[in-house]
Amino acid sequence: QKEVEQNSGPLSVPEGAIASLNCTYSDRGSQSFFWYRQYSGKSPELIMFIYSNGDKEDGRFTAQLNKASQYVSLLIRDSQPSDSATYLCAVKWGGNQFYFGTGTSLTVIP
Amino acid sequence: DARVTQTPRHKVTEMGQEVTMRCQPILGHNTVFWYRQTMMQGLELLAYFRNRAPLDDSGMPKDRFSAEMPDATLATLKIQPSEPRDSAVYFCASGLNWDTNQPQHFGDGTRLSIL
Repeated sequence: QKEVEQNSGPLSVPEGAIASLNCTYSDRGSQSFFWYRQYSGKSPELIMFIYSNGDKEDGRFTAQLNKASQYVSLLIRDSQPSDSATYLCAVKWGGNQFYFGTGTSLTVIP
Repeated sequence: DARVTQTPRHKVTEMGQEVTMRCQPILGHNTVFWYRQTMMQGLELLAYFRNRAPLDDSGMPKDRFSAEMPDATLATLKIQPSEPRDSAVYFCASGLNWDTNQPQHFGDGTRLSIL
């Protein structure tokens, strides 16, 4: 059984702080890793993807991947109230299928 | 800006009725996914297609659910007969070239309520 696990939260951070979202996965054969943001009542939207060990930065967002530890994280710098949403981690194994975590709810407090 | 289009956006119907949800993937995308999302279960994969062929529908209750892709521009998800426990948001997503690290792009979803 392939599993993707996230802390459901809620995670609360003050505006301007760094929010850290974590995801672990069960299968060492995992190839690609994606972070989606989902606002309440809306569909998931892609924020970032990463497939190599290390860090990948895009604006205020940084994805970190450690395949040895089977761990992927998303850091949001200078958090804004508009970042308040549920963040879904998705892992792609060999083949065509994605597996999603249950999501972490983030609240950025003004 | 290319988008996945889902219809209807909302559907309320009585138990036992047939429900059909439609999805138009992004032009050129060769994979289509159907998901169901509830507060309790999160995002669950129901079925997915590659080049219109069904690759996996193990997440779908076979006795009442069916998924098809009659052509490259249309995917359908049917529930017959519907039950109150089917109430959820159903998302369609499409993607391109799954041998690479391409992501999925989601539609706005169909919010289904079975009374």
